Amino acid sequence: GQQVMQIPQYQHVQEGEDFTTYCNSSTTLSNIQWYKQRPGGHPVFLIQLVKSGEVKKQKRLTFQFGEAKKNSSLHITATQTTDVGTYFCAGRTNAGKSTFGDGTTLTVKP
Amino acid sequence: EADIYQTPRYLVIGTGKKITLECSQTMGHDKMYWYQQDPGMELHLIHYSYGVNSTEKGDLSSESTVSRIRTEHFPLTLESARPSHTSQYLCASQSSTGQSATYEQYFGPGTRLTVT
Repeated sequence: GQQVMQIPQYQHVQEGEDFTTYCNSSTTLSNIQWYKQRPGGHPVFLIQLVKSGEVKKQKRLTFQFGEAKKNSSLHITATQTTDVGTYFCAGRTNAGKSTFGDGTTLTVKP
Repeated sequence: EADIYQTPRYLVIGTGKKITLECSQTMGHDKMYWYQQDPGMELHLIHYSYGVNSTEKGDLSSESTVSRIRTEHFPLTLESARPSHTSQYLCASQSSTGQSATYEQYFGPGTRLTVT
């Protein structure tokens, strides 16, 4: 079945450093979503990528979808303490099945 | 803000008890999901539904059952709770159609279950 891997599992950074999490799917995706879960909270939708090679930005966050539509990345520039949490990708296949990655937990030292 | 609700938010219950976790959404979404998540860990899909009278087991084996008699309601039942069921249970809904074609899942606040 479809597998979605995320790396790294954990990332500890100093405030102001950059952060990147990578998402890799075993199958070609029709689209991918990214979510953020704050400690003690529930996942909240951030963005959806659909097109091959697509790049989208939300302030300090940059999202990319690979040319082969099998991988994606989330990059945060100059992390802040408000960025702490777990970031999940969710890959959706053409058959309509969505699979969440295992998540990357980010901690930021002030 | 998403209109998806879960009750109770917290539950401490003894082994062997039957419990039902409630999930309701007012967005008219066809698709609903139940996930089990330990703190800081991955989301495990345990049940999903693509519409009324449609339910399927997810990727993670679970001793729970679900029902979908109404579009807005997707309760999860544990017939006999065990300490191994201690976890957070998250309900989510998703529109199966949409002019914007966004496949966003809206999550409820979760139920933190402790079985003693």
